[in-house]
Amino acid sequence: DAMVIQNPRYQVTQFGKPVTLSCSQTLNHNVMYWYQQKSSQAPKLLFHYYDKDFNNEADTPDNFQSRRPNTSFCFLDIRSPGLGDAAMYLCATSRGPGETNQPQHFGDGTRLSIL
Amino acid sequence: QKEVEQNSGPLSVPEGAIASLNCTYSDRGSQSFFWYRQYSGKSPELIMFIYSNGDKEDGRFTAQLNKASQYVSLLIRDSQPSDSATYLCAVGASKIIFGSGTRLSIRP
Repeated sequence: DAMVIQNPRYQVTQFGKPVTLSCSQTLNHNVMYWYQQKSSQAPKLLFHYYDKDFNNEADTPDNFQSRRPNTSFCFLDIRSPGLGDAAMYLCATSRGPGETNQPQHFGDGTRLSIL
Repeated sequence: QKEVEQNSGPLSVPEGAIASLNCTYSDRGSQSFFWYRQYSGKSPELIMFIYSNGDKEDGRFTAQLNKASQYVSLLIRDSQPSDSATYLCAVGASKIIFGSGTRLSIRP
């Protein structure tokens, strides 16, 4: 089955220690998204790629970076995690163009804990 | 500030009844509307999407859109305990914005 796969499911890191979360997809979708979701809150869009074009949200901290080396893979790098970055990180994909009109398909998420 | 508003709940509905979940949005330019189900500790799962005014049915689920009144709703018929989850409304205009969800509880 076509899927969005996130690794790892759970990640524990130390305060200030860089961490990378990964996402892969077999849907061949143009658009890949990274969201941060905290308990009882809406998913918050951090950034998205439309093919190789990177689109950063205005309020995404500089601490968060992303890479998309090819269509299938996308990475979220947190350079110096703080306690406030503990959250569920969700990767999603959708077809393009017109990405706002297409349903997004989510991976299972990575729950990040900061010690 | 472009927003998507949902009643946080919890909404408690007896098993077998109809659950009605509502969502309002502020951007009149919104063109696409989605409902996601999210179980505790899991990721959102797409339930329905609707683009045009009116009703769209898929099994026990019906999405209703009224662009003039800027609301979208989700009806769940014959509610089952497995429907207990948080339901996220998402609205697409210049980008997709998620509401913070309504927690639905189906009581036996």
